[in-house]
Amino acid sequence: AQSVTQLDSQVPVFEEAPVELRCNYSSSVSVYLFWYVQYPNQGLQLLLKYLSGSTLVESINGFEAEFNKSQTSFHLRKPSVHISDTAEYFCAASHQGGKLIFGQGTELSVKP
Amino acid sequence: DGGITQSPKYLFRKEGQNVTLSCEQNLNHDAMYWYRQDPGQGLRLIYYSQIVNDFQKGDIAEGYSVSREKKESFPLTVTSAQKNPTAFYLCASMSFSSYNEQFFGPGTRLTVL
Repeated sequence: AQSVTQLDSQVPVFEEAPVELRCNYSSSVSVYLFWYVQYPNQGLQLLLKYLSGSTLVESINGFEAEFNKSQTSFHLRKPSVHISDTAEYFCAASHQGGKLIFGQGTELSVKP
Repeated sequence: DGGITQSPKYLFRKEGQNVTLSCEQNLNHDAMYWYRQDPGQGLRLIYYSQIVNDFQKGDIAEGYSVSREKKESFPLTVTSAQKNPTAFYLCASMSFSSYNEQFFGPGTRLTVL
């Protein structure tokens, strides 16, 4: 069965430090991959997505993710985080029937 | 403004009562979804619908029911058969042309007293 694994449930980091949130997926077929961000008591917002083409995708607020087919990974990175990046981040992969399979989420906590 | 609305934002219910959560979208999306979110468990799919008057069970459908009488509306009823209904409920929608990208509403937090 297809699955998405986020390897860290919590990631504490100091402001202006780099961060990587790890995501691995299992699939025998081509997938579309997504990162969503959730602020407390809100819905999910799309951060970035990989559909095809360039394996490095970027968001407007400085995050980037690299699709690595050989390692079946889609890790999210940011070179310098801000307090406002504190949130929960979800990795997701497309599944048949128009569904998404979500990882368990990673809580990013940025400390001053 | 196009988007997804969920109401109410907060909902309190006594044990044994049914309650209905509203989800409306004006994005002209084809498919709609209901998820349940509990701390540390990510999102779990309850029900989804790809076309009006049709819907399918997700991974945790027991104790829930839905209807899809209009393309823009997908209400979720939490019945008294749901053993532990206290959770954050998220509705999402998707266009078939969007490569499975789902758009989410702001959520409803249900608390059973």
